[in-house]
Amino acid sequence: QSVLTQPPSVSAAPGQKVTISCSGSSSNIGNNYVSWYQQLPGTAPKLLIYDNNKRPSGIPDRFSGSKSGTSATLGITGLQTGDEADYYCGTWDSSLSAAFGGGTKLTVL
Amino acid sequence: QLQLQESGPGLVKPSETLSLTCTVSGGSISSSSYYWGWIRQPPGKGLEWIGSIYYSGSTYYNPSLKSRVTISVDTSKNQFSLKLSSVTAADTAVYYCARHDHSIAVAGTKAYFDYWGQGTLVTVSS
Repeated sequence: QSVLTQPPSVSAAPGQKVTISCSGSSSNIGNNYVSWYQQLPGTAPKLLIYDNNKRPSGIPDRFSGSKSGTSATLGITGLQTGDEADYYCGTWDSSLSAAFGGGTKLTVL
Repeated sequence: QLQLQESGPGLVKPSETLSLTCTVSGGSISSSSYYWGWIRQPPGKGLEWIGSIYYSGSTYYNPSLKSRVTISVDTSKNQFSLKLSSVTAADTAVYYCARHDHSIAVAGTKAYFDYWGQGTLVTVSS
């Protein structure tokens, strides 16, 4: 059971926008920074967003992150079929441990 | 470009100890601000952080696994290792090693995994 809650799945059409939520508590998201990861089928996770809203070099600005209180959101605009993947949020917890959300499967219809 | 590569047995018997090593190339494991972590993913399931180590040997462990986990570092070989004892079928997973960027800011702790190995499947079975 993950301490961070994500919807199991989301879907949208190519070219559209989708958002993925990540809900936590004051023990984790509320007082720490959030990161987001993309995992394409059969591959290792890839860092998409760090420090709530920063993108590593090479990540297109179609991907964005935000945080408010004890929740965070990943936004993807201009959806492409290549964006079909599992997405995970991550943060630090007051138990001195890293935590991941349960993951959200994105389907581009 | 930093690269990480996991190595170790792909099959471990129940009750035995799982041992994996991560070799870091393209950078030094002794870099400041970076921990080095292990994350696993059971087949068809999500990510679970196991623990992380600093080059000095300082560690953070997942509380749910702490009693069975030991992570160590060998700076001379630019490697860090994972040992998970008393394994069961529930420990069957793809095990990833990753660089763990960790810092404490005014607004909280920043912790994220920016470079990952390709992962190695470890099956626990007799």
